[in-house]
Amino acid sequence: AQSVTQLGSHVSVSEGALVLLRCNYSSSVPPYLFWYVQYPNQGLQLLLKYTTGATLVKGINGFEAEFKKSETSFHLTKPSAHMSDAAEYFCAVSEGGNMLTFGGGTRLMVKP
Amino acid sequence: SAVISQKPSRDICQRGTSLTIQCQVDSQVTMMFWYRQQPGQSLTLIATANQGSEATYESGFVIDKFPISRPNLTFSTLTVSNMSPEDSSIYLCSVTQGAGETQYFGPGTRLLVL
Repeated sequence: AQSVTQLGSHVSVSEGALVLLRCNYSSSVPPYLFWYVQYPNQGLQLLLKYTTGATLVKGINGFEAEFKKSETSFHLTKPSAHMSDAAEYFCAVSEGGNMLTFGGGTRLMVKP
Repeated sequence: SAVISQKPSRDICQRGTSLTIQCQVDSQVTMMFWYRQQPGQSLTLIATANQGSEATYESGFVIDKFPISRPNLTFSTLTVSNMSPEDSSIYLCSVTQGAGETQYFGPGTRLLVL
């Protein structure tokens, strides 16, 4: 069975600092991996995804993530945080059958 | 990607009543799903809405409590029946298109049960 662990339910960074949100997964087959963002009072927006091919994927708003099979990780990064990045971030895994399993979420806070 | 809308966007309901949530997509989609997001929590899949047949429910969710319809390729409803305060959550629909594996989410329905 697939599962996702997001380390750190809350992460706080200063504006302009590096953002690193951690995601580890377990899957019995090569996974599809996703990061979604949820702004206050909104639905989920797809940030980026990994299915096959290049292990470093770039998404919207300057975010990127790297699939590391040996570490079963898919950490999300952004070089320089902006106040508008404050939101809840969810990592999710699929084994290709449309069944998405979500991590617990990480709330990113950006300090001025 | 498809544009997904949900109605109502939010509601406050009395316990014991039922609420039907609509999910409308602006183009045909392959799969439609319903999720629940309890306060401060992650998303949990309630069911897969199947066109023209009964929905497929996940463990812990039953048709009597969460009846779902999907009459065509662009529309689905979720009813939350005989509500209690524990049903206070955000309910989200999501869709996939073609043979794609990516799910796109609607804006959600914020439900408060008093």
